[in-house]
Amino acid sequence: SQKIEQNSEALNIQEGKTATLTCNYTNYSPAYLQWYRQDPGRGPVFLLLIRENEKEKRKERLKVTFDTTLKQSLFHITASQPADSATYLCALDWGRRALTFGSGTRLQVQP
Amino acid sequence: DGGITQSPKYLFRKEGQNVTLSCEQNLNHDAMYWYRQDPGQGLRLIYYSQIVNDFQKGDIAEGYSVSREKKESFPLTVTSAQKNPTAFYLCASSPSTGPNEKLFFGSGTQLSVL
Repeated sequence: SQKIEQNSEALNIQEGKTATLTCNYTNYSPAYLQWYRQDPGRGPVFLLLIRENEKEKRKERLKVTFDTTLKQSLFHITASQPADSATYLCALDWGRRALTFGSGTRLQVQP
Repeated sequence: DGGITQSPKYLFRKEGQNVTLSCEQNLNHDAMYWYRQDPGQGLRLIYYSQIVNDFQKGDIAEGYSVSREKKESFPLTVTSAQKNPTAFYLCASSPSTGPNEKLFFGSGTQLSVL
């Protein structure tokens, strides 16, 4: 069965540094991969979508890469701010008509 | 103000009781979803609906039921058959169930057992 792996340990970084979060998956590559942000006690909010034929996607301070050979996506936040502190979830569509989500990685940006 | 609304924010269930979680959207989306989130775990799909009067089981449908009588509404009932219902429940919608559709989530309902 398909699985998504995100680092369960929180990532702590200093303000201004670049945060890099990892999403690994098993079996065959999906056509699309999405990243969401979730704050405590709230629903996830969509951030970025990347297609399998796209190597990289950018939006303001956010960058996502998608390596179908490694079966991995990296999510980068440059010039990180304390307001970026949240849990970040990756989600994949394997043609099931509903997204499958990873367990998320909590990011803590220290001022 | 368009969006997706879940209620109540907090819900308590007694032993043997059925409870219903509300989910309403005014985004005119065809597809709606219910996910369950447990601490430290990802979102797990309970049910989804692609269109009115149609819904499909997800990965953990046992002990749950849904209906989709109106496009804007997709209530979830947690039945007494669900032995471990304590979790954070998230409702979402999307324009369709296409693979490139992003999901819009509600703010969630925390269900606890008394």
